[in-house]
Amino acid sequence: SSELTQDPAVSVALGQTLRITCQGDSLRNYYASWYQQKPGEAPVLLFYGTDNRPSGIPDRFSGSASGDTASLTITGAQAEDEGDYFCSSRDTTGNLLLFGGGTKLTVL
Amino acid sequence: VQLQESGPGLVKTSETLSLTCSVSGASVTEYYWTWVRQSPGKGLEWIASIYYGEGVYYNPSLSSRVTISLDTSKNQYSLEVRSVNAADTAFYFCARAYIAVLNYFDPWGHGTLVIVSS
Repeated sequence: SSELTQDPAVSVALGQTLRITCQGDSLRNYYASWYQQKPGEAPVLLFYGTDNRPSGIPDRFSGSASGDTASLTITGAQAEDEGDYFCSSRDTTGNLLLFGGGTKLTVL
Repeated sequence: VQLQESGPGLVKTSETLSLTCSVSGASVTEYYWTWVRQSPGKGLEWIASIYYGEGVYYNPSLSSRVTISLDTSKNQYSLEVRSVNAADTAFYFCARAYIAVLNYFDPWGHGTLVIVSS
């Protein structure tokens, strides 16, 4: 299939833990990567695969995968974590790079 | 590694949009190099990727109108979008890509806004 599905919006209380999910058939064969985007800025790579965090990214961001779903977990959300989160992977044919529709995170 | 997009800002309907991404800190003869766009207030859309000496890859929905190319002498790569229309109005980002079983884009340029208007 040619889709990666994300919840449009989530909210979390300051300091609590949340999971943002990304669902798609292709995730059974390809790993997801995760990006944070703040208004007026370019996306920033947060995590890729299940154990790869770029240098400079806080360790409260982690990734996991199970079946057709990839997840980004934020452990102890901070106010600065507000923004849009996108997942990315390939489609089932492997010929198309995809992004999920994005999840808008609000920290309460 | 840093990437910087440059482009016209405003393009007329039916004309050709040309964008350039200048790369510093890495050689365009290594890695995949990619264009992604984002319509205002919308999600991200992969346009095309290129790997020196290997090939080019296009989003099938855009492949008939776009061309990605490398200029190794200037350490730049470019995107051409032909016959533009209002739906091509977007922020255009260049990014280095890793494409395999594990796929990711890092780093990204700051992006450049292109408005298509008659």
